[in-house]
Amino acid sequence: GDSVTQMEGPVTLSEEAFLTINCTYTATGYPSLFWYVQYPGEGLQLLLKATKADDKGSNKGFEATYRKETTSFHLEKGSVQVSDSAVYFCARRGSNTGKLIFGQGTTLQVKP
Amino acid sequence: GAVVSQHPSRVICKSGTSVKIECRSLDFQATTMFWYRQFPKQSLMLMATSNEGSKATYEQGVEKDKFLINHASLTLSTLTVTSAHPEDSSFYICSARDGSANTEAFFGQGTRLTVV
Repeated sequence: GDSVTQMEGPVTLSEEAFLTINCTYTATGYPSLFWYVQYPGEGLQLLLKATKADDKGSNKGFEATYRKETTSFHLEKGSVQVSDSAVYFCARRGSNTGKLIFGQGTTLQVKP
Repeated sequence: GAVVSQHPSRVICKSGTSVKIECRSLDFQATTMFWYRQFPKQSLMLMATSNEGSKATYEQGVEKDKFLINHASLTLSTLTVTSAHPEDSSFYICSARDGSANTEAFFGQGTRLTVV
């Protein structure tokens, strides 16, 4: 079935370091791809999205490019801040059902 | 973006009682709502999908008689955990969208349920 796989965390970085969180998905159809962020004790917030191959989603310094050839949607940020500490979820959405399927989440800890 | 309000944010109940969680779309009509469950340090598991005015569609393995979902209006869906037990303790999150499957869904703040 459809699935999303993320790199395991936690990821611990120093402030201003470069961030990459890997995400791959199963290639059934042409899903839309998302990154969500969850701060402690809160629900999910959409961080960025891409709806077709080669699209690049970006927001708040984060970027991810929809790579059909590698079925990947890796999240990157050039310089992380302490306030970026959160859990990040990669997700895919099937075009027919509209259901979101989430990866297992990756915890990011940024230290000053 | 659109706002989805979930209430309560935290609830503690005794084993055997029932708990109702509300999910409201504040500035749009939610034709479809989704209910998720999140275990500590794990991903979100979709429990059920509800469309306004019709019965919810439950995912495999989710007991529909235990997790009652009502989506009676375009702005409100409720999840009732019946006869709650400690193993039902979890973080429950709703999301809502207006329109087709390709429309963005917005998430509530989540409800932390603790059954003692």
